[in-house]
Amino acid sequence: DAGVIQSPRHEVTEMGQEVTLRCKPISGHNSLFWYRQTMMRGLELLIYFNNNVPIDDSGMPEDRFSAKMPNASFSTLKIQPSEPRDSAVYFCASSPTTTANTEAFFGQGTRLTVV
Amino acid sequence: AQSVTQLGSHVSVSEGALVLLRCNYSSSVPPYLFWYVQYPNQGLQLLLKYTSAATLVKGINDFEAEFKKSETSFHLTKPSAHMSDAAEYFCAVSLSGGYNKLIFGAGTRLAVHP
Repeated sequence: DAGVIQSPRHEVTEMGQEVTLRCKPISGHNSLFWYRQTMMRGLELLIYFNNNVPIDDSGMPEDRFSAKMPNASFSTLKIQPSEPRDSAVYFCASSPTTTANTEAFFGQGTRLTVV
Repeated sequence: AQSVTQLGSHVSVSEGALVLLRCNYSSSVPPYLFWYVQYPNQGLQLLLKYTSAATLVKGINDFEAEFKKSETSFHLTKPSAHMSDAAEYFCAVSLSGGYNKLIFGAGTRLAVHP
């Protein structure tokens, strides 16, 4: 299995531009997570999907952020307009079940730099 | 609310020495606990997890951790450090009865010296 695949690995964009991050979860996994990693805040959950439906988006910082999962094999995280404080590493993760004792499998992340 | 505290943002050991990375949790319900490792420019990889089956958990690469309810701890150990163990280590908790939302600690960066 190829694991969770994220693209692009690196993204540099100018403030005010729209940014779209992409994720392909592991086949057969029904849960998908978007995390953000920064020096100041560490790793924090942004949004959680189960069976393609957003269940918990309480971590989405503001309306500039949106996430979709149109099918079981693809999800996007969009930032519009982007700001320098959005610079971070964004991870997508998936898991085969929703039970609390199940680990999440992480992609390699997208390093976003907003200048 | 649940939380995870990792004592020591940086730990440095000599090759061959014992590795001890500390993790304490706060939870009002029985927790599930995880240790993940992150190598430079990589994603997080699961080392081991505690799911209430056994308090001493063995993971990959000779790492192990012991769940101590009385101390609310889940410290990670390895008897003998290798240079390849240099990475950042994250302790995380999820709560029984909920979904597998991981709450992470701040991380501990392990350096291994020859």
